[in-house]
Amino acid sequence: AQSVTQLDSHVSVSEGTPVLLRCNYSSSYSPSLFWYVQHPNKGLQLLLKYTSAATLVKGINGFEAEFKKSETSFHLTKPSAHMSDAAEYFCVVSDQGGSQGNLIFGKGTKLSVKP
Amino acid sequence: GAVVSQHPSWVICKSGTSVKIECRSLDFQATTMFWYRQFPKQSLMLMATSNEGSKATYEQGVEKDKFLINHASLTLSTLTVTSAHPEDSSFYICSARYGTRDTQYFGPGTRLTVL
Repeated sequence: AQSVTQLDSHVSVSEGTPVLLRCNYSSSYSPSLFWYVQHPNKGLQLLLKYTSAATLVKGINGFEAEFKKSETSFHLTKPSAHMSDAAEYFCVVSDQGGSQGNLIFGKGTKLSVKP
Repeated sequence: GAVVSQHPSWVICKSGTSVKIECRSLDFQATTMFWYRQFPKQSLMLMATSNEGSKATYEQGVEKDKFLINHASLTLSTLTVTSAHPEDSSFYICSARYGTRDTQYFGPGTRLTVL
């Protein structure tokens, strides 16, 4: 069965410093992996996705994630945090190979950005 | 592109009444739509999956007679919470997927409060 584990429930950084949100996955086959962001009382916005192409995936707002099969990881990074990055971030895996799977959500990581 | 809307954005109702939530894909045809529920400070839990013109597939533990889902067209799905009770209070989020692509696009969510 597919699953994702977000290793930190809360991450706090200072504005201008790097962001690292950790995610490990478990999948029976080549997974599709996603990062979504949710601002308070809002829906989810897709940051980026990995679907077996390049292992380093660039997303919106300066975020990127690297798929590491040997480590079963898909960590989200950003070189310099901005106040507007404060939100909840979800690492997500598709529960089937290919394109027709349902999404399995991690428990989320709340990112706080201090001025 | 790929915009999904929900209406209403929030609703307060009395216990025992029914509430209908609409989910629309504004600029694409959604062959599959999904309904999620999110409790405070928790992740999203898939409630049901609906394909246009077919009956919805409900996840284990979700009462299909309580949460009625209709997906009558390629751009509209509705979730009706029947005989709502305070424990149904939650944040309901829909998403839509088109064709065989695996990316789901999420609506902004509907906050339901049952008094």
